[in-house]
Amino acid sequence: DTGVSQDPRHKITKRGQNVTFRCDPISEHNRLYWYRQTLGQGPEFLTYFQNEAQLEKSRLLSDRFSAERPKGSFSTLEIQRTEQGDSAMYLCASRPNLGGANVLTFGAGSRLTVL
Amino acid sequence: GNSVTQMEGPVTLSEEAFLTINCTYTATGYPSLFWYVQYPGEGLQLLLKATKADDKGSNKGFEATYRKETTSFHLEKGSVQVSDSAVYFCALVQGAQKLVFGQGTRLTINP
Repeated sequence: DTGVSQDPRHKITKRGQNVTFRCDPISEHNRLYWYRQTLGQGPEFLTYFQNEAQLEKSRLLSDRFSAERPKGSFSTLEIQRTEQGDSAMYLCASRPNLGGANVLTFGAGSRLTVL
Repeated sequence: GNSVTQMEGPVTLSEEAFLTINCTYTATGYPSLFWYVQYPGEGLQLLLKATKADDKGSNKGFEATYRKETTSFHLEKGSVQVSDSAVYFCALVQGAQKLVFGQGTRLTINP
């Protein structure tokens, strides 16, 4: 088990383009979370899944954002028609559904720069 | 809703100095409390945690005590090292809810 993997680590795109990030959680973890972190701020919750079900979405997740976890394993976060304000680090984390004392294991993040 | 407030940074100390990073929280009920650390170029890592009042979390020489009466979870270390330079985040979670983070405190330790 190599922990939580995120891809790509860095993405530079032009305003208006679509981007997609992938997260592979720890294999036995049922819960998967997406957070966004802007410079100098703490991570902000975007959405989370329990298995394939998306159970909560933040108001930060506008209509341009969509997240999926089709088979309850890896997840993707897509941003359509990117804006400069979308530039941030997108973090994925996972945890077991039960137990684990609510501890999330984070990936290294995917840094997005929108020009 | 739940929230976490950390002391503003950045914090710069000399090696072997004593460290305190303040953290207070607002929550209904009894949340679990955490300190996460983010080293340059790396993801967030759990540093320590406490799940009930008066618990003390400790790891790598860092300690924090869950103080319900003052709703605080201050991070301390008796003698910091250059390798402790990182950004530290206080966070809480309540039940099955999401983890809520403070804004982070950047710590720089000079040799």
